[in-house]
Amino acid sequence: AQSVTQPDIHITVSEGASLELRCNYSYGATPYLFWYVQSPGQGLQLLLKYFSGDTLVQGIKGFEAEFKRSQSSFNLRKPSVHWSDAAEYFCAVGANNNDMRFGAGTRLTVKP
Amino acid sequence: EAGVAQSPRYKIIEKRQSVAFWCNPISGHATLYWYQQILGQGPKLLIQFQNNGVVDDSQLPKDRFSAERLKGVDSTLKIQPAKLEDSAVYLCASSSRTGEQFFGPGTRLTVL
Repeated sequence: AQSVTQPDIHITVSEGASLELRCNYSYGATPYLFWYVQSPGQGLQLLLKYFSGDTLVQGIKGFEAEFKRSQSSFNLRKPSVHWSDAAEYFCAVGANNNDMRFGAGTRLTVKP
Repeated sequence: EAGVAQSPRYKIIEKRQSVAFWCNPISGHATLYWYQQILGQGPKLLIQFQNNGVVDDSQLPKDRFSAERLKGVDSTLKIQPAKLEDSAVYLCASSSRTGEQFFGPGTRLTVL
């Protein structure tokens, strides 16, 4: 069965510092992988997704993620965090666009 | 384009009462999803519609939850009777046949 683990419940970084959010997945075949962001009171917004091809994926808002099959990981990175990046981040795995299982999320706090 | 609309945004009810949520997907999107997001967890798929047919309702607690999408556009999700553990945010999403899921802002349900 497919599943997603986000080991960090809460991360605090200083504005301007780099960010890496971890995601590990369990899936029997080549997965579709996603990162979503959820601001308070808002729905989820897709940051980026991986289906195949280049394992380094660029997304919106300056985010990128790298698919590492050997580690079953799909970590999200950003070189310089802005205060507006404070939100909840969800990793998801699926067989396609339409069948996703979400992790429990990582809450990001940005210190001034 | 207009996004996914949901109403109400907030609802407070007593346990054993009934409640209904409404979702209007993005125009032209054939696929509609209802998710339940309990505080501190990622969204969990409750039901997926393709036009007005159910594709997946394996995680819908059918003894108390029901959903319909009569004309293949708007959808309603009903809980009857509600339990304390139903307190959550209920998210609606829609997608074109093979495309990205777009999420609405959600309905926050509190059951007292």
